[in-house]
Amino acid sequence: DQQVKQNSPSLSVQEGRISILNCDYTNSMFDYFLWYKKYPAEGPTFLISISSIKDKNEDGRFTVFLNKSAKHLSLHIVPSQPGDSAVYFCAALAQGGSEKLVFGKGTKLTVNP
Amino acid sequence: NAGVTQTPKFRILKIGQSMTLQCAQDMNHNYMYWYRQDPGMGLKLIYYSVGAGITDKGEVPNGYNVSRSTTEDFPLRLELAAPSQTSVYFCASKPWGPGANVLTFGAGSRLTVL
Repeated sequence: DQQVKQNSPSLSVQEGRISILNCDYTNSMFDYFLWYKKYPAEGPTFLISISSIKDKNEDGRFTVFLNKSAKHLSLHIVPSQPGDSAVYFCAALAQGGSEKLVFGKGTKLTVNP
Repeated sequence: NAGVTQTPKFRILKIGQSMTLQCAQDMNHNYMYWYRQDPGMGLKLIYYSVGAGITDKGEVPNGYNVSRSTTEDFPLRLELAAPSQTSVYFCASKPWGPGANVLTFGAGSRLTVL
């Protein structure tokens, strides 16, 4: 049973527009959420995170929104750039618990010039 | 500062062979993890360790073994390779402590079992 779901396998946007990647989770014990970015033939790299005590976290062009009641989070990239083309993984953690990060299946973002 | 180093980057095995994927980190992180990624799938946790001498199973441990004799190293052993173990393997680590939730990943080891 998937605890972290990314229902869109792929997303294509034009350069300069907004990219919105979505993630849903089922485990109410998750209280910390991370987004990782992965280029081909490389390991995932940390992008941005959010604690459940917040509903928004911003870092430059990247903003993560958390809706705890809906068990939903989203990553906004504004403006999107061709270099943002990668697979984005949503991950969740129950702090103080097993310290195991649970990942979604990923969304492949393509930003067209 | 190398971070998390995985070797080998690529390996082809025959069914029934055994091998060890090496993982080393130089950040003095307590926690270490092994994940596998299959095409179109997310990362699934194989084994993890909260410190030297302590290991525990993740979501997909069957067919694998691990050991953690030092803080730095966390090798993953495949005893009898099967085609189902064809995958990309990622090692990761993170420090202990409140709010220390970001895993640092290695570049991956691509394994093919024929």
